[in-house]
Amino acid sequence: GAGVSQSPSNKVTEKGKDVELRCDPISGHTALYWYRQSLGQGLEFLIYFQGNSAPDKSGLPSDRFSAERTGGSVSTLTIQRTQQEDSAVYLCASSSGPVAYNEQFFGPGTRLTVL
Amino acid sequence: KQEVTQIPAALSVPEGENLVLNCSFTDSAIYNLQWFRQDPGKGLTSLLLIQSSQREQTSGRLNASLDKSSGRSTLYIAASQPGDSATYLCAVSYRGGSQGNLIFGKGTKLSVKP
Repeated sequence: GAGVSQSPSNKVTEKGKDVELRCDPISGHTALYWYRQSLGQGLEFLIYFQGNSAPDKSGLPSDRFSAERTGGSVSTLTIQRTQQEDSAVYLCASSSGPVAYNEQFFGPGTRLTVL
Repeated sequence: KQEVTQIPAALSVPEGENLVLNCSFTDSAIYNLQWFRQDPGKGLTSLLLIQSSQREQTSGRLNASLDKSSGRSTLYIAASQPGDSATYLCAVSYRGGSQGNLIFGKGTKLSVKP
């Protein structure tokens, strides 16, 4: 079946602009995650959605970052007033339940470049 | 705070060799440990998941072991092939954190020469 998909695959924006990144999880997966992978850094957790529970936002680096998940499926990560240090690959993952017990499946990522 | 370390950062071997990638973590209170593969410009592909109650998992030429007490995992790749060239990432889900995220190492970049 279809895996996790993300769009766009690449995004170039100017400093100060807002951007939206989209993630379509695997159908039926209740858990959805966003990570960021910066050059030379490991993957950094951003936010986690599980079913209808309140999201775990503990990894968001600043209040310029927000995410929503509509209808328990598609998720959008929004970065307001982008800065150059926001340049990274943003990865989305989904699993059939909490990662404590379930395998995570990753999308191909969105490469964000802030000029 | 949980930290995950992978050694070596890079490894180059001739085709056909058996090899071991190492992963260590500082907090043994984990739910599970996952090994991933990442090809350049691509997302992550899950290779093996070991639950905290398990000692090892096998898939084809891959074997991953877990020693919670020492905070270590190894990924063994048998009879390596050029197609195995990629970055291998280790990640843990640990009890001290959110149930919603993995803590990743920085990876080992593997190059298998024909």
